[in-house]
Order: sequence, then C-alpha cells, then structure tokens
Amino acid sequence: AQSVTQPDIHITVSEGASLELRCNYSYGATPYLFWYVQSPGQGLQLLLKYFSGDTLVQGIKGFEAEFKRSQSSFNLRKPSVHWSDAAEYFCAVGDYNNNDMRFGAGTRLTVKP
Amino acid sequence: DTAVSQTPKYLVTQMGNDKSIKCEQNLGHDTMYWYKQDSKKFLKIMFSYNNKELIINETVPNRFSPKSPDKAHLNLHINSLELGDSAVYFCASSQSDPGKNIQYFGAGTRLSVL
Repeated sequence: AQSVTQPDIHITVSEGASLELRCNYSYGATPYLFWYVQSPGQGLQLLLKYFSGDTLVQGIKGFEAEFKRSQSSFNLRKPSVHWSDAAEYFCAVGDYNNNDMRFGAGTRLTVKP
Repeated sequence: DTAVSQTPKYLVTQMGNDKSIKCEQNLGHDTMYWYKQDSKKFLKIMFSYNNKELIINETVPNRFSPKSPDKAHLNLHINSLELGDSAVYFCASSQSDPGKNIQYFGAGTRLSVL
C-alpha cells in the first residue's frame, strides 16, 4: 500500500518569510497527491492536488507544490507566509483505483510575528 | 450550504456506552469515508463506502460499524465505548471516478470517553 512521510513535525517561520514543507511518498504507480490544511479545531481543507500533467501545481491561498518523480517528493511552498497560515499541514497520497488515501503524520506550522 | 456535515461536533460520554455520529454530504458523491485522528494528529482511514458497499475496512474493532442508509449518508456507530476511542472522527466524501476522487472533509466530531 502507498505511504507518506512528512519529515518535519514542527516548523517555525517568520511572517513574510518563505516556506517549504517536505513530503515524500511511496507508491508503485503514478500517485495522486494532495496537500490539506487543518486550522485549530477545524476540518481539513484541500490546498492543492496533483493527478497528472504539469508537475508544478498551484493551489489556494498562494500555495504551490512540485511533483518530483525522481525524488518521490511533493513539497509544498509559499513565497511569503502570513500569520493566518499557522496550522497543521497534511500531505496525502491516493490510490488510482480505490480511493484509498493515506496521510502523512502532519507538519505543524508556527508563524512568528 | 455545508458540503459535508457531521453531527454532533462534540460528544462526551461514559465508558461502555453506545453512541452514533452522523454524516451527510450534499455533493452528489458516491463514496464516503470515516477517519480517526488521534491526539498526535495522525489521520487513519477507518471505513470507506461506495454505493452502499464497504470497500475498505481497516483493522478497526468490530465495535465500530458504519451504516449507510443511502448514498448521501454514512453514520458511524460505536458500541461499548473505551477510553482509547477518544479522538476526533472525520467524515469525508468523494467521487469514485479516477481523476475525480478528491476527498472533501467534514468539520470533525470530537469524542471524549470518560
């Protein structure tokens, strides 16, 4: 079965600084890849997804992610972080056939003033 | 209109009780899911229902049983609640078509077992 690793449990960045959250996946075929964000006490909101095509995908709230097959990675980036971006971020990989989506352990983002 | 709604948002109960969490989606999706998020924020899929058929059943205790009266609803019944069942439970839904199977999540139900 597919799996996801998010190496960073907690990241702190200053407001206005750039951000990169790492995600590595394991899957034998072409993966479906997702980033979700969870604000405190809230559900999960989809930031962006990769199914096929252009390996650089744009999402909501100014986020983007790049699929690199050679590195089995799907890192999330944002050029300038806002205080409201403080949240838990989850990378997920989906199975093409049966919707079996597996989540990483999450990365908690703290934004310093 | 909320796309995926769960009730209740909070549930506090005693050990040994039986409880249910309801989930409804108005997106016209044909697949619904239940996830458990533990205290460390780890999300694990519990069940998946496609057109009222169970298609994924992870290694969850049989005290947990999903019930789908129709395509728009997937309720979670939990019998004989245990302390370890305390968690946040998320419902989600998606289309089953490859390329369209983006999962949309409810706001979660925080279950506390005392």
